[in-house]
Amino acid sequence: DIQLTQSPSSLSASVGDRVTITCRASQSFSNFLNWYQHKPGKAPQLLIYAASSLQSGVPPRFSGSGSGTEFTLTISSLQPEDFATYYCQQSYRTPRTFGQGTKVEIK
Amino acid sequence: EVQLVESGGGLVQPGGSLRLSCAASGFSFSSYGMNWVRQAPGKGLEWVSYISSSSSSTIYYADSVKGRFTVSRDNAKNSLFLQMNSLRAEDTAVYYCARDVTVAHAFDIWGQGTMVTVSS
Repeated sequence: DIQLTQSPSSLSASVGDRVTITCRASQSFSNFLNWYQHKPGKAPQLLIYAASSLQSGVPPRFSGSGSGTEFTLTISSLQPEDFATYYCQQSYRTPRTFGQGTKVEIK
Repeated sequence: EVQLVESGGGLVQPGGSLRLSCAASGFSFSSYGMNWVRQAPGKGLEWVSYISSSSSSTIYYADSVKGRFTVSRDNAKNSLFLQMNSLRAEDTAVYYCARDVTVAHAFDIWGQGTMVTVSS
């Protein structure tokens, strides 16, 4: 199975901060990497697919980059509604594993 | 409105069975592969199963549920199902259904989830 390791596991940030989350894979798989936002009691939301493509309706402050084994999700200017847990997920091979999550909290 | 609504969760004893349903609306259900994903209390997301748009052509399971869970769909009724047998305490989770997008096989539409609790 492909293991995904996110760093950090949690972070505290202020509104307006630039935030970067990293996802490292146990093997290389081009760009089959997706990012999701999940808030308690809500359905997860797709933010980025294929490593760098912004899902329709998602604000452009979210961006993704990377290929191979290292990927990043960047929030250019953190907004109050962005406090949530973020997950990377690989869709290269089954099982379609998720990272352990990164919780973004208010500083 | 594109929507997925899960149902069928509840409290079940270890070793018991439960059948989850996911009702789709607002899109051509038969054109999309579908997934089940779960989240145990205090844990992260775990992919459970995938079924292709044409029911029987491609089905995958996580090792943790293989042999105990069965995914199926009824395209005429725009519905996805997860039959869960031999349930264990570690199957306790919120179960989500999610639409699979052909491009990158990302999950672009999710339901709100249904809670399954396995306890005596």
